Amino acid sequence: AQTVTQSQPEMSVQEAETVTLSCTYDTSESDYYLFWYKQPPSRQMILVIRQEAYKQQNATENRFSVNFQKAAKSFSLKISDSQLGDAAMYFCAYRSDGRDDKIIFGKGTRLHILP
Amino acid sequence: DSGVTQTPKHLITATGQRVTLRCSPRSGDLSVYWYQQSLDQGLQFLIQYYNGEERAKGNILERFSAQQFPDLHSELNLSSLELGDSALYFCASTLTSAPYNEQFFGPGTRLTVL
Repeated sequence: AQTVTQSQPEMSVQEAETVTLSCTYDTSESDYYLFWYKQPPSRQMILVIRQEAYKQQNATENRFSVNFQKAAKSFSLKISDSQLGDAAMYFCAYRSDGRDDKIIFGKGTRLHILP
Repeated sequence: DSGVTQTPKHLITATGQRVTLRCSPRSGDLSVYWYQQSLDQGLQFLIQYYNGEERAKGNILERFSAQQFPDLHSELNLSSLELGDSALYFCASTLTSAPYNEQFFGPGTRLTVL
């Protein structure tokens, strides 16, 4: 069965600095998708970035980028120029590419932004 | 605002009772997902529907059931409620059932079982 592990329950970063959130996963599948979701205090789940496993190029969305290492089964999120609005819970998620696809979330990392 | 609506926002009930949570997807979206977020279990995928048919099943208990109606809204039924069912229940929708689609989440229904 697939698993997603976020080893950092909490992290803090100074405003304007860069922070990296870790995520590792375990799967025997070759085709799948990985996502980072943000959950601010409002509880609304918001997609931050996604990566298709078949793509070698790392996804980037403005200040957010990932380091996808397929062989190592690692999918870290880098937030550059951290802003106060980035304070939230971040969830890494795995989704298989198949008819019976399931979605597995990590336990989350709470990110604090220090002014 | 994601365009996904969930009702009610809050629900307080007693153990043993049955409740129904409702979700209306974004206009045009055919696929609906249900999730449970609790402190001890984290965020768990429960079930997915696509155009009225069950598409994928996650960690959904037998006491829980769901369906998607012809107008594409979905309901999650929770019965024989236990204290441990207290959680935030999210609904999300996507245009198709393709796994790479961005899921748009509703604001959630906070269920408290006393």
